[in-house]
This record gives sequence, structure tokens and C-alpha cells, in this order.
Amino acid sequence: SQKIEQNSEALNIQEGKTATLTCNYTNYSPAYLQWYRQDPGRGPVFLLLIRENEKEKRKERLKVTFDTTLKQSLFHITASQPADSATYLCALDADGGATNKLIFGTGTLLAVQP
Amino acid sequence: DAGVTQSPTHLIKTRGQHVTLRCSPISGHKSVSWYQQVLGQGPQFIFQYYEKEERGRGNFPDRFSARQFPNYSSELNVNALLLGDSALYLCASSLGGQFFGPGTRLTVL
Repeated sequence: SQKIEQNSEALNIQEGKTATLTCNYTNYSPAYLQWYRQDPGRGPVFLLLIRENEKEKRKERLKVTFDTTLKQSLFHITASQPADSATYLCALDADGGATNKLIFGTGTLLAVQP
Repeated sequence: DAGVTQSPTHLIKTRGQHVTLRCSPISGHKSVSWYQQVLGQGPQFIFQYYEKEERGRGNFPDRFSARQFPNYSSELNVNALLLGDSALYLCASSLGGQFFGPGTRLTVL
């Protein structure tokens, strides 16, 4: 069956360290994968999109990798800050890019301690 | 420039009632998608509309329906509400990544 999995346990790290979040999927062949940030009671905020032919993408303190062989994406936040504390969701396109239908993981809660 | 807007922000209904949720996309975005997010889970895709045509449908019963208007705004309708329909309903418009609105929190009693 098709699955997209993120670590359901919260990730606690110290301020200034690098946070690494994992997203694994099975039985999909996505054209792209996206990462979102979600704060409690609010809608997800788009962070980064990485396409199947891209191995790595960066934006300021964020870095995403995409390994279509391992069927895995890693999301890194360098020099983490307490303001980075939130739930981070990965999402992949369900139809090989034909529609905007996204399949989301359950999210990983990141807590950055000052 | 305003982001995606949704109304109402909160709604309380009882079982069996009907509800209509509204969404206005970012100016210039022609695609609108609807998602349901229950507590502790990621959003689940319900519908996508593009240029007033349904482009995608998720695994939701026929009690859920939607439409898109000529100005690209959209409505999500849910009939015969069940307790399990209680969730945050999110609308997103897209240009590359998807831009989500703040959501409508629906509580069914």
C-alpha cells in the first residue's frame, strides 16, 4: 500500500544545532516533494519544493535532499532557533505531477530549546 | 497582496446539518484545493478545482461536494454532518507550492 511516513516522535534539540527531519515513502513515484511548516491552529506554510531530478535544494538556513532510490527526503534546519519550533510536514504529489493533489505525512514536531 | 482567505474561521454544527465553507485564492491563482486535517494528522486531500473544473477528488464520500466560481473563489459543502467530520478544513491555491489559508475549524456536536 502507499505510505508516507515521518517520525511521529517529537524532535528536541538545543538552539544553534542542526535539526534533521526524515520523510520516507513507499509505492509512490512523485514528480516532486514539498516541505511545510505548521503552527498550532494555523494552515501549513510552504517552505521548499524539490523535484525528482534534483538531489538538494537550499533556502537560507533550510536544506532539503531527495533520494528517489531510497524513497526518502531529509529536511535540515541549520543554526536552529526557538522560533523554528513547529510541526513540519512533508508532502508529495500523488499523481506524478498531473494534478495538485498532495499526500501529506503526519508531521514531526520540532522543539528548539533556548 | 492578501493571501488565501477562508470563512468562517470557526463553526459549530450538529449531526445531520449541512455546512458551506468559503475560500478566496491569492489573486492570479486559478487552482484551488481543499483539505481536511484532523487533530494529530496531516491534511488529507478532498478536491482540486482549476478554471471551475474538478481536477482531482480524494477518498471522501459523496456528502462532500465543491465548486469554483468565475472569480476563482470556491465553496466546500458537506451534507448530513457526522461527528467524524469535525476537523480543520484548509483551502490552498497554488503556483508551484501550495499556499494555504488559515482554515475553518468545524466542530460537529
